[in-house]
Amino acid sequence: QQPVQSPQAVILREGEDAVINCSSSKALYSVHWYRQKHGEAPVFLMILLKGGEQKGHEKISASFNEKKQQSSLYLTASQLSYSGTYFCGTAHLGAGSYQLTFGKGTKLSVIP
Amino acid sequence: SQTIHQWPATLVQPVGSPLSLECTVEGTSNPNLYWYRQAAGRGLQLLFYSVGIGQISSEVPQNLSASRPQDRQFILSSKKLLLSDSGFYLCAWRRDRDSGAFFGQGTRLTVV
Repeated sequence: QQPVQSPQAVILREGEDAVINCSSSKALYSVHWYRQKHGEAPVFLMILLKGGEQKGHEKISASFNEKKQQSSLYLTASQLSYSGTYFCGTAHLGAGSYQLTFGKGTKLSVIP
Repeated sequence: SQTIHQWPATLVQPVGSPLSLECTVEGTSNPNLYWYRQAAGRGLQLLFYSVGIGQISSEVPQNLSASRPQDRQFILSSKKLLLSDSGFYLCAWRRDRDSGAFFGQGTRLTVV
């Protein structure tokens, strides 16, 4: 079951903030966030496990609402290097906890 | 430290020809292994995943198959390629279901 991401694309000026959302129709075991630069492989940012939590670094963080089956990625004071496509990946409870499925991605463009 | 190797980086194959892409992981044992395909400008489609030797889960019915002959080796194959098989093929590994996924450099396949 593919998670749904929003928005599909966002354009920011340096220093602005952004929020990317991810939702699932099935109960979640974990939520992952990845960033992919053009022509490259995706890079792992963070994983949030069931139980509901928030984690991350100073400027890139994420939350996981287990009850709502949603996660959000927060990018604050964006930098040019944040540009890329962000993917949310989900694994569901039970036998599906090893199956990692991705959303369609959110293209983030940071301009000077 | 762990590393993942995927080759070749690019491949041009005629329609109807066979395919074999190999992925190996070093520095860990019993990894969870994944094959994804990404069409140009699109999301990551999960093709196969494996939690152990000889254990393959297929997500999409198509003319592709996967095998895991050794603990840290994952192979993606096709007997006869179709034009629609073109794309960016990515292998990934995870330590366990509580860990993030780390991707190989990918193989850009063009079927002509």
